[in-house]
Amino acid sequence: GAGVSQTPSNKVTEKGKYVELRCDPISGHTALYWYRQSLGQGPEFLIYFQGTGAADDSGLPNDRFFAVRPEGSVSTLKIQRTERGDSAVYLCASSSQAGPYNEQFFGPGTRLTVL
Amino acid sequence: DAKTTQPNSMESNEEEPVHLPCNHSTISGTDYIHWYRQLPSQGPEYVIHGLTSNVNNRMASLAIAEDRKSSTLILHRATLRDAAVYYCILRDVGGSQGNLIFGKGTKLSVKP
Repeated sequence: GAGVSQTPSNKVTEKGKYVELRCDPISGHTALYWYRQSLGQGPEFLIYFQGTGAADDSGLPNDRFFAVRPEGSVSTLKIQRTERGDSAVYLCASSSQAGPYNEQFFGPGTRLTVL
Repeated sequence: DAKTTQPNSMESNEEEPVHLPCNHSTISGTDYIHWYRQLPSQGPEYVIHGLTSNVNNRMASLAIAEDRKSSTLILHRATLRDAAVYYCILRDVGGSQGNLIFGKGTKLSVKP
């Protein structure tokens, strides 16, 4: 079946602009995670959804970052007033349920470049 | 989640076995040991996990020390496609959400 998909694959924007990154999880997966990966580092947790609600947003770096999942499937990560330091690969993952037993399936990521 | 320590990089020859070590001296009794890998320009993918006993699946084997303070991911015959960054991650069974905490991992290079 289809895996996790993310669009766009690449996004180049200018400092100060607003961007939206989309994640389509595996159908039926209730848990959805966003991570950010800088060059040479492992992915860093941003936010986690269980269904429609954000169960933990402790990884969001500041209030310029926001994410939604209104119908419990597709999620959008929104970044306002982008800064050069936001440049990274943004990864989305989903799992059938939350919890430490469940394998997470990752998408290919969106590479964001802020000029 | 407890911390893990892995070598920054390792090299292997194609079709030879590879042993990727991970130290987790502060592991608790409720931590599972998970391995993920990340191929170039892709998202991470699950490899294997275990608690106490050694585990085998189609991708790899996981050998866990008796005291659980270390583990080794074993690729029985490395292929060029196995060149990736391998992450060793501890996941607490008491944790409700299960977000993964990645370190820097081990970058495995496979030579033909």
